[in-house]
Amino acid sequence: KAGVTQTPRYLIKTRGQQVTLSCSPISGHRSVSWYQQTPGQGLQFLFEYFSETQRNKGNFPGRFSGRQFSNSRSEMNVSTLELGDSALYLCASSSRTSSGSGEQFFGPGTRLTVL
Amino acid sequence: AQTVTQSQPEMSVQEAETVTLSCTYDTSENNYYLFWYKQPPSRQMILVIRQEAYKQQNATENRFSVNFQKAAKSFSLKISDSQLGDTAMYFCAFMKHAGNQFYFGTGTSLTVIP
Repeated sequence: KAGVTQTPRYLIKTRGQQVTLSCSPISGHRSVSWYQQTPGQGLQFLFEYFSETQRNKGNFPGRFSGRQFSNSRSEMNVSTLELGDSALYLCASSSRTSSGSGEQFFGPGTRLTVL
Repeated sequence: AQTVTQSQPEMSVQEAETVTLSCTYDTSENNYYLFWYKQPPSRQMILVIRQEAYKQQNATENRFSVNFQKAAKSFSLKISDSQLGDTAMYFCAFMKHAGNQFYFGTGTSLTVIP
């Protein structure tokens, strides 16, 4: 099976722009979660999508949004970029439906730099 | 709210020796899962080991084992026969029984010295 893929791997944007990141989960996995990793704040949960529905959301401003398509691929969008949005964005794919911890697999991440 | 604390920002160990990484957590949940993830310089997050809270037996995976103390809310990782490839950032993580959200600690940077 192919692993979790994220595109692009690197991205440079300027303040005020918007950006869209993509995550393709492992085949058969319906849950996709997004995390932001920064040196100052560590790993923080953004949101989780399951079967095209946002199931859980972290404490981030409304500039951060996401969606999931019928093939389980997910995108996250950040509008009006700020310098503090510079981070590694990781997505995690899981086969977990409700209870029971399905193993989560992480993608290689997208490194976003905001200038 | 769930919190995960890793009190050792950096550690080092000689190759072939044993090292223990500490993790404590706080939760009011009774059923949950605990994980150790490894993040090498490539930044790829790799699952090292997983523990289900309702299981009293400590999880082991080859050279990696945990000491899970539920009452003390402690979940340490022991790496035996350390190898150069173990050099990485290690994150302790908590997940509720229902849900897919990780709560991560701040990480411990481990360096294996040849």
